[in-house]
Amino acid sequence: QVQLVESGGGVVQPGRSLRLSCAASGFTFSTYAIHWVRQAPGKGLEWVALISYDGSNKYYADSVKGRFTISRDNSKNTLFLQMNSLRPEDTSVYYCAKSYSGGYYHGLDVWGQGTTVTVSS
Amino acid sequence: DIQMTQSPSSLSASVGDRVTIACRASHSVIKYVNWYQQKPGKAPKLLIYATSTLQSGVPSRFSGSGSGTDFTLTISSLQPEDFATYYCQQSYSTPHTFGQGAKLEIE
Repeated sequence: QVQLVESGGGVVQPGRSLRLSCAASGFTFSTYAIHWVRQAPGKGLEWVALISYDGSNKYYADSVKGRFTISRDNSKNTLFLQMNSLRPEDTSVYYCAKSYSGGYYHGLDVWGQGTTVTVSS
Repeated sequence: DIQMTQSPSSLSASVGDRVTIACRASHSVIKYVNWYQQKPGKAPKLLIYATSTLQSGVPSRFSGSGSGTDFTLTISSLQPEDFATYYCQQSYSTPHTFGQGAKLEIE
């Protein structure tokens, strides 16, 4: 079945780095844009980043621009989020999610189960 | 960036009630508003995309309407499984911002 599975979360000190992965299966990964969305404990959803189907276009929330980098390896059906200079306010559950259509307009129809990142000294 | 503001932020209702949640965008997003349902400890679920198109498998008691800056999600007859938090999101321009959420609780 169509599935996204995140990994790589954990506890990290402020200022350090972490790399999240999202493994896709059950659909043609290379034809869909993929997003990262996060949710701080007890808070709402925050859109983080988007990468086009071929990796040529990348977009970021202002809160992570310059610190986070989204990338993908279509040969391995895997999405990544490299997170540098982590801050306590980056503490969240991080979800990867697939665009419903080939473009960006029609919402996120498949979500992973999330991976938890805790930034604390 | 486009801001999305939902109202109310929380509401109480009973099984069988009709409920409407509003979402206002700070700039026109044409029709590119999506609605999600999230239950505690679970990932969000896409209910409606492009204002009014029901995602496959979503019950017909859910509907969406609006255009430009004002949008609504309506649940025509609440069922026990509908008590959850609902988020709107604009996908017209990046960043694809979410509303702050509307928590629907049992009265």
